[in-house]
Amino acid sequence: DTGVSQNPRHKITKRGQNVTFRCDPISEHNRLYWYRQTLGQGPEFLTYFQNEAQLEKSRLLSDRFSAERPKGSFSTLEIQRTEQGDSAMYLCASSFRDGSGGAGYGYTFGSGTRLTVV
Amino acid sequence: DQQVKQNSPSLSVQEGRISILNCDYTNSMFDYFLWYKKYPAEGPTFLISISSIKDKNEDGRFTVFLNKSAKHLSLHIVPSQPGDSAVYFCAAGSSGSARQLTFGSGTQLTVLP
Repeated sequence: DTGVSQNPRHKITKRGQNVTFRCDPISEHNRLYWYRQTLGQGPEFLTYFQNEAQLEKSRLLSDRFSAERPKGSFSTLEIQRTEQGDSAMYLCASSFRDGSGGAGYGYTFGSGTRLTVV
Repeated sequence: DQQVKQNSPSLSVQEGRISILNCDYTNSMFDYFLWYKKYPAEGPTFLISISSIKDKNEDGRFTVFLNKSAKHLSLHIVPSQPGDSAVYFCAAGSSGSARQLTFGSGTQLTVLP
């Protein structure tokens, strides 16, 4: 297992188009998180899954955003009708339920998908 | 409303000297804190954590200090090395909130050879 994998690494899209990102977490981890990071800021929480259940969503996650984790393994994040303000790095992270697994209470992050809306 | 603040966007330190990165928080519900390091084009990497029941945690060259009364924590790196040059994020969480983390805006550390 090589860690958390995110695809694509970069995505350029025209305003109004839909985009979908994929995250493959560490296989033993049952929690999966999506964060968004804009320039000069730290990551901001968007949503998290425990297995296939989406248990928490931030108010940052407007109705144009939808996330799924259909079989409790990989996850997808879709943005519909993209806007220039959606340009950001989208980070996925995974962890064990009790926060153990080598990173204390923390996560293992992927390298992110950088979205540019033009 | 920034619940976790890193007021220094950048810090430069000479190789071999101590680097001190600071972080303040406002939410009393936070009961654990973490530091992450981020290189360009990579995701954040966990560095060290501390629970609110402790005031110090040490791991090799890295030590985190927590002052709960001041709602302040700091990361000390001794001795600093050029490979430590990265953006450092402070993050805080609450055990009752499913491990959702609140991050600061980061401090760019540059260690000069």
